[in-house]
Amino acid sequence: DAGITQSPRHKVTETGTPVTLRCHQTENHRYMYWYRQDPGHGLRLIHYSYGVKDTDKGEVSDGYSVSRSKTEDFLLTLESATSSQTSVYFCAISYTNTGELFFGEGSRLTVL
Amino acid sequence: AQTVTQSQPEMSVQEAETVTLSCTYDTSESDYYLFWYKQPPSRQMILVIRQEAYKQQNATENRFSVNFQKAAKSFSLKISDSQLGDAAMYFCAYTGGGATNKLIFGTGTLLAVQP
Repeated sequence: DAGITQSPRHKVTETGTPVTLRCHQTENHRYMYWYRQDPGHGLRLIHYSYGVKDTDKGEVSDGYSVSRSKTEDFLLTLESATSSQTSVYFCAISYTNTGELFFGEGSRLTVL
Repeated sequence: AQTVTQSQPEMSVQEAETVTLSCTYDTSESDYYLFWYKQPPSRQMILVIRQEAYKQQNATENRFSVNFQKAAKSFSLKISDSQLGDAAMYFCAYTGGGATNKLIFGTGTLLAVQP
């Protein structure tokens, strides 16, 4: 168990509203990631963090922002949600010595 | 840019039989990692197997093994003695390693296991 929790696990919201997803880890790992999963696209990287207040963009970062004020928390914010952001969002952490990522349980977001 | 391609959107296998899922990738790097992840209906992403590119020996984890062909940039997953619990979406993934470990995923193969 990699000790990653995501909240909320499910959310339904309306177009134009702000949404924040939270990822919390208990194991003090430096690297954290946000991916989105959509049919036909697999998982695509939105943003990642390599330390407190250190973040960078991924492949599909438009419309998303992130923040990391503490090692254990990585927040993903949709400032004004759109229907195209309806997706399942996964947080992950990295064990840098072995290359793989360990994922949270995912958050399903529906934007009406 | 690196890419990962899974050309089989869906596959089906009979229980106790063997199935192979295909994956190809494109990279100019010589050192990297490849993975297969399983995603059952619970949605949890589960690491199945890992291959380091510098290792010529194919990785094996119980009933799961890979056929890693570095020159052909191919990384297939073989599941032997398929079980009902193997039914899931399977994702192939690549990372160049380094500090950031950003994974690039294929589009997935949905595996059905028939009793």
